[in-house]
Amino acid sequence: DAGVIQSPRHEVTEMGQEVTLRCKPISGHNSLFWYRQTMMRGLELLIYFNNNVPIDDSGMPEDRFSAKMPNASFSTLKIQPSEPRDSAVYFCASRGETQYFGPGTRLLVL
Amino acid sequence: GEDVEQSLFLSVREGDSSVINCTYTDSSSTYLYWYKQEPGAGLQLLTYIFSNMDMKQDQRLTVLLNKKDKHLSLRIADTQTGDSAIYFCAEGGGKLIFGQGTELSVKP
Repeated sequence: DAGVIQSPRHEVTEMGQEVTLRCKPISGHNSLFWYRQTMMRGLELLIYFNNNVPIDDSGMPEDRFSAKMPNASFSTLKIQPSEPRDSAVYFCASRGETQYFGPGTRLLVL
Repeated sequence: GEDVEQSLFLSVREGDSSVINCTYTDSSSTYLYWYKQEPGAGLQLLTYIFSNMDMKQDQRLTVLLNKKDKHLSLRIADTQTGDSAIYFCAEGGGKLIFGQGTELSVKP
């Protein structure tokens, strides 16, 4: 198994642009999680899905952030419009019996 | 609410044992986990322990669980420079609650 796959691995964009992060979970896992990691705030859970349904989005910072999971093998996290304070590493993780993380997307908003 | 606490830093000499400690609040967790994050990388699942166990050993790693005190520890025997990383403990059911991570520095 290839593990959790995230794309892009790096993204540099300008303030105000739309950013879309993508995740392919491990096949057979029924839970998917989006996290954000920064030096200041550490690892934060943004949202998670069970069987493609959003269960808890209380960690989503504001309306500029949205996440979708149209099917069991794909999820997106969108930021529109992006701001410099959104610069962070965004991790996707999926869970069957145990939880595995993807390699992350390093986002820099200028 | 749910909370997981870890000390932020630990420094050891190569060859010594490292012990990373964690306290948690949710006593209903079925599993407790240790993850390792190397610089520039994602979180790698190191090991986990079922909540009805007291100890689990996996090569150089020993996990101890004290449910009464809600205390979890990770012992790394014969610590190597390659063990330098941030170690996160986590607990939870549907969603995992992570500690803030302990940065382990191994000096030669």
